[in-house]
Amino acid sequence: KQEVTQIPAALSVPEGENLVLNCSFTDSAIYNLQWFRQDPGKGLTSLLLIQSSQREQTSGRLNASLDKSSGRSTLYIAASQPGDSATYLCAAHTGNQFYFGTGTSLTVIP
Amino acid sequence: NAGVTQTPKFQVLKTGQSMTLQCAQDMNHNSMYWYRQDPGMGLRLIYYSASEGTTDKGEVPNGYNVSRLNKREFSLRLESAAPSQTSVYFCASSEASQGTYEQYFGPGTRLTVT
Repeated sequence: KQEVTQIPAALSVPEGENLVLNCSFTDSAIYNLQWFRQDPGKGLTSLLLIQSSQREQTSGRLNASLDKSSGRSTLYIAASQPGDSATYLCAAHTGNQFYFGTGTSLTVIP
Repeated sequence: NAGVTQTPKFQVLKTGQSMTLQCAQDMNHNSMYWYRQDPGMGLRLIYYSASEGTTDKGEVPNGYNVSRLNKREFSLRLESAAPSQTSVYFCASSEASQGTYEQYFGPGTRLTVT
């Protein structure tokens, strides 16, 4: 069974700082890895999806990388802003299912 | 497009009562999913439907049933609610597009069982 881990569980940074969120998975046989953002009391919003054949994807200030051989993905957020405060989740698509980490709660301090 | 919609948004049940959570998507996706989200546990898959007419158990199916009514709709039923089923329930859909299976989520149903 795929196990997905996100470390740290919580992170607090000052505005303007660059930061990296980590996601690790145990089974490298993934179709893709998807990063989501979740605001309190809300649903999940897709940020980036990296196919298994890709190494990275970029969208604005966000860059996600994937290293299947080591079972790791990172989400890089450049020049963080208070509006980036949310919980970030990663999900590994394996077989017919998506396996989620427990998320990293990010607080960006003005 | 509305994307993925869920009803109701909030629900309070007494132990032993039954209810059905509704989900619909307007993106013509083949696959649909039901998850529950609990503090510290992340999202756990309850049931999924890879295509119309098929359903399969996920990680935590006990106490739930599902129906894939048509390509658009996928419902989740609690036959006899228990306090352990207090959670936030999310429906999602996905479709293979250029080799990807990007998931899209609904806004969630917050269920409390007393």
